[in-house]
Amino acid sequence: DIQMTQSPSSLSASVGDRVTITCRASQGIRNDLGWYQQKPGKAPKRLIYAASSLQSGVPSRFSGSGSGTEFTLTISSLQPEDFATYYCLQHNSYSWTFGQGTKVEIK
Amino acid sequence: EVQLVESGGGLVKPGGSLRLSCAASGFTFSSYSMNWVRQAPGKGLEWVSSISSSSSYIYYADSVKGRFTISRDNAKNSLYLQMNSLRAEDTAVYYCARDSGTNSYWGQGTLVTVSS
Repeated sequence: DIQMTQSPSSLSASVGDRVTITCRASQGIRNDLGWYQQKPGKAPKRLIYAASSLQSGVPSRFSGSGSGTEFTLTISSLQPEDFATYYCLQHNSYSWTFGQGTKVEIK
Repeated sequence: EVQLVESGGGLVKPGGSLRLSCAASGFTFSSYSMNWVRQAPGKGLEWVSSISSSSSYIYYADSVKGRFTISRDNAKNSLYLQMNSLRAEDTAVYYCARDSGTNSYWGQGTLVTVSS
């Protein structure tokens, strides 16, 4: 099975900061990766698909990059509504694998 | 508008069974693979199972293999998860999701609590 290692597990940042979250796959997954945002009590919301494609309706301050085994989610200027938990998800193999999550908190 | 609405969650004793349903609307259900994902209280997301559009391909996480059965009824636009031999560690919110290509849709989730 493919393992996804996400880092950091949490971070504190201020409004306006640039934030970067990383996921590493245990084997190559091409660009079969998405990034999700989840707020408490809500279903996950996909922000990025195919590693770098912005989901329709998602603000352009979110961006994704990477291919193969290394992937990055970047928030260029953190906004108050961005404080949430973020997950990567690989769907290259027949089974999906989520990263462990990154909780973005207010500094 | 695409909607996925889960139901069937509740409190069940260890060793018991429960059947979750997911009612789909707003899209051609029979054209898409579907998935179940769960989230234990305070924990991360865990993929549970996937089923292809015609039910030809079915996959399970190792943690539920042999105990859970995914199925669908394309005539009723519905996805199901039959959960048997439930354990305390199966306690979670269960989401159904259509997540492929350019679109991603998730239901609001249904809570399953396994406790004596």
